[in-house]
Amino acid sequence: GAVVSQHPSRVICKSGTSVKIECRSLDFQATTMFWYRQFPKKSLMLMATSNEGSKATYEQGVEKDKFLINHASLTLSTLTVTSAHPEDSSFYICSAIGNGELFFGEGSRLTVL
Amino acid sequence: GDSVTQMEGPVTLSEEACLTINCTYTATGYPSLFWYVQYPGEGLQLLLKATKADDKGSNKGFEATYRKETTSFHLEKGSVQVSDSAVYFCALSDRFQGAQKLVFGQGTRLTINP
Repeated sequence: GAVVSQHPSRVICKSGTSVKIECRSLDFQATTMFWYRQFPKKSLMLMATSNEGSKATYEQGVEKDKFLINHASLTLSTLTVTSAHPEDSSFYICSAIGNGELFFGEGSRLTVL
Repeated sequence: GDSVTQMEGPVTLSEEACLTINCTYTATGYPSLFWYVQYPGEGLQLLLKATKADDKGSNKGFEATYRKETTSFHLEKGSVQVSDSAVYFCALSDRFQGAQKLVFGQGTRLTINP
């Protein structure tokens, strides 16, 4: 089946630094990808919809200057957490539409010290 | 807005036990309902779905019936296996918001002991 891969799976960084998370569709082209955030014992919250070749659409309450999304190709979307702070520590998950179905990456755990 | 509420975990059962994970929803439109499963170290995978009232989704021995009258979509399995240990997410999509815009429950961690 279709595969979506995220990298890195885990990242630890110092407060104030920026972190980039990649989401790749390995065997299909994805014009649309989604980024979610999951807090402990909470549901996945949609952060933004990433569209290839255009600006991402952010959900209400998500800071677009804080969470930069770039979808420069049909197989890659990146989420950059800028000037990360401890409250940005979370599990970030991407998904992509392939053949009309939604496929998820394995998630990236960010810990900001 | 739309929301999904799941049975709070973690849930621990012995092999061959019966499983029910409760899921209820609120939605203004006509949602499709889903169960996703996340095995350790892997991404979420679609387990089953139902697109209209009274539909039953089934896969790998799991079943869930779309009950509009009780706004529920409980996940059931008659005899669980150790390999069913995972986190299970109930979700809905409202066709008016876009089929791929999913609203998730908080997830229920299931552990099956041999």
